[in-house]
Amino acid sequence: QKEVEQDPGPLSVPEGAIVSLNCTYSNSAFQYFMWYRQYSRKGPELLMYTYSSGNKEDGRFTAQVDKSSKYISLFIRDSQPSDSATYLCAMSESGGGADGLTFGKGTHLIIQP
Amino acid sequence: GAVVSQHPSRVICKSGTSVKIECRSLDFQATTMFWYRQFPKQSLMLMATSNEGSKATYEQGVEKDKFLINHASLTLSTLTVTSAHPEDSSFYICSVLGPGGFSYEQYFGPGTRLTVT
Repeated sequence: QKEVEQDPGPLSVPEGAIVSLNCTYSNSAFQYFMWYRQYSRKGPELLMYTYSSGNKEDGRFTAQVDKSSKYISLFIRDSQPSDSATYLCAMSESGGGADGLTFGKGTHLIIQP
Repeated sequence: GAVVSQHPSRVICKSGTSVKIECRSLDFQATTMFWYRQFPKQSLMLMATSNEGSKATYEQGVEKDKFLINHASLTLSTLTVTSAHPEDSSFYICSVLGPGGFSYEQYFGPGTRLTVT
């Protein structure tokens, strides 16, 4: 069963705080883990992807994957009001193009100025 | 990243009518496109995978006779909702698979909000 759990929020934090966003999943076959950002009335845009377990950093964003716990996280440092958006985690079993993505519900993040 | 457009951005139709939604890849030729549906406060759910020149592959539970997908060219895929009903009201988003062909390399359109009255 493909199922991804993500707290929809809203999550409200002050500007400059470290934000932690999380997803859990049940399908142990997932190997690719993505984080997308979606602004209101827009399509999702890819922030980061990670293969298997481990950490990946890109500027203020860090993605972590713990396959043993079936738990992934996205950390945002020095959060800015422009980071306010819905963040969706997504997963796929393989990197092959035929494999569509399984998404979480998304967490609505609000960064207060 | 790739630029993907969708048309229309918003459509209201009466129950029983059909609606066509277009998805265009503007800056590269997309062999594979995906169609997702997003209900309020729910996940994006994959409906079907569309490959240029061949029949679409539908996810379990998605009626292929109701949601007609045509990927007639490398830059255009269309989704037609036939005999639409109020329960089909949703946000429909397409994505295109990037040149590398990796599942994580999907570029999404801005979405089409369908309201069936």
